[in-house]
Amino acid sequence: NAGVTQTPKFQVLKTGQSMTLQCAQDMNHEYMSWYRQDPGMGLRLIHYSVGAGITDQGEVPNGYNVSRSTTEDFPLRLLSAAPSQTSVYFCASSYIGRGREKLFFGSGTQLSVL
Amino acid sequence: QKEVEQDPGPLSVPEGAIVSLNCTYSNSAFQYFMWYRQYSRKGPELLMYTYSSGNKEDGRFTAQVDKSSKYISLFIRDSQPSDSATYLCATLGSGGFKTIFGAGTRLFVKA
Repeated sequence: NAGVTQTPKFQVLKTGQSMTLQCAQDMNHEYMSWYRQDPGMGLRLIHYSVGAGITDQGEVPNGYNVSRSTTEDFPLRLLSAAPSQTSVYFCASSYIGRGREKLFFGSGTQLSVL
Repeated sequence: QKEVEQDPGPLSVPEGAIVSLNCTYSNSAFQYFMWYRQYSRKGPELLMYTYSSGNKEDGRFTAQVDKSSKYISLFIRDSQPSDSATYLCATLGSGGFKTIFGAGTRLFVKA
């Protein structure tokens, strides 16, 4: 019953450093996505994927890269961290067809960029 | 204009009160409307969803969609301290699989 697994749970970076947030799901979901959550702004979509090899930009993609080489994994890369990227990051997955109204979320990554 | 607007609150009510949480949306083409509940330091979880207009009831929770006014509501009857959480309204956007969220309303139910 793992569901969506995100690592790490907490991370502190210095400005300019790069890192990868990991996300894995074991429900065979076609759709995977990354959101950031900031106070008063809700969840904003960064990037999403509808299957292996297929990714697209969401609402706030700048400064982030993604790839989807397998159905299970969808890592998010911060290329050169900036203080504006301090946020809580959530990975989420769902089916594309029937059941697409239900997103399954990971437990989140709290990222601080100094 | 944001596609889904929601007052972030906070909203504080006494135990047993009826809670009304509301959102508006901009695109009349949206068909799926969801409510997620998020406890502190946790990921959101789907609470309820509705398709098109109408009401849906699940225990103490009722979700309501009025497509004529582009208004989404969640009602909580007999609110409990365990209902204290952030409630996020959401809809499926263009393409039918990208979920768009409101800002979330933080609810406190006082014992």
